Amino acid sequence: EVQLVESGGGLVQPGRSLRLSCAASGFNFDDYAMHWVRQAPGKGLEWVSGISWNSGRVAYVDSVKGRFTISRDNAKNSLYLEMNSLRAEDTALYYCAKENKLRGVTGFDYWGQGTLVTVSS
Amino acid sequence: DIQMTQSPSSLSASVGDRVTITCRASQSVSSYLNWYQQKPGKAPDLLIYAASSLQSGVPSRFSGSGSGTDFTLTISSLQPEDFATYYCQQSYNTPWTFGQGTKVEV
Repeated sequence: EVQLVESGGGLVQPGRSLRLSCAASGFNFDDYAMHWVRQAPGKGLEWVSGISWNSGRVAYVDSVKGRFTISRDNAKNSLYLEMNSLRAEDTALYYCAKENKLRGVTGFDYWGQGTLVTVSS
Repeated sequence: DIQMTQSPSSLSASVGDRVTITCRASQSVSSYLNWYQQKPGKAPDLLIYAASSLQSGVPSRFSGSGSGTDFTLTISSLQPEDFATYYCQQSYNTPWTFGQGTKVEV
């Protein structure tokens, strides 16, 4: 059974940092690209960042470029998101999501339950 | 960035109704379009990928169609467990983008 378990969220002051983790199990982690998707309270879904299976390619939404860094450790079956210079607008539930290419189309076929990040003074 | 616009933003329906949700892309995304269902307090679930293919385990009352810029998600006969919010998502270009969601209510 595929499981994705996020951790590391919490209350943090604006301008500070936080590191999110996602522990994966139930599939060959190093075969798949992984992503972070966030959802602000009462709002829709926003893709934040993605990383290829071997960390060779990473991508970010413009609003987090230069502040967030995605990484992975395939030996530990883990995905990370280092978040610096946090802003109030980064407040959201952060989901870890597994990518799958279905008929050549990238989709997110498994999601964790999310970890809540609240940026407030 | 490719903007995804869903309509309507919400709809009221009854069990047994046929429900159609539309999603329009600001530029062609070919068939690089997925649909997700999200229930309150839960993570999203992938329903439809590549515009029209049903994800494994998803009931056949769900179907998707379209290509280019215009897509639809149809629920042929709404069931009680289908009351949820539905999102389209393009994976033609990064940043991957989602529609704003369509809430299906009683």
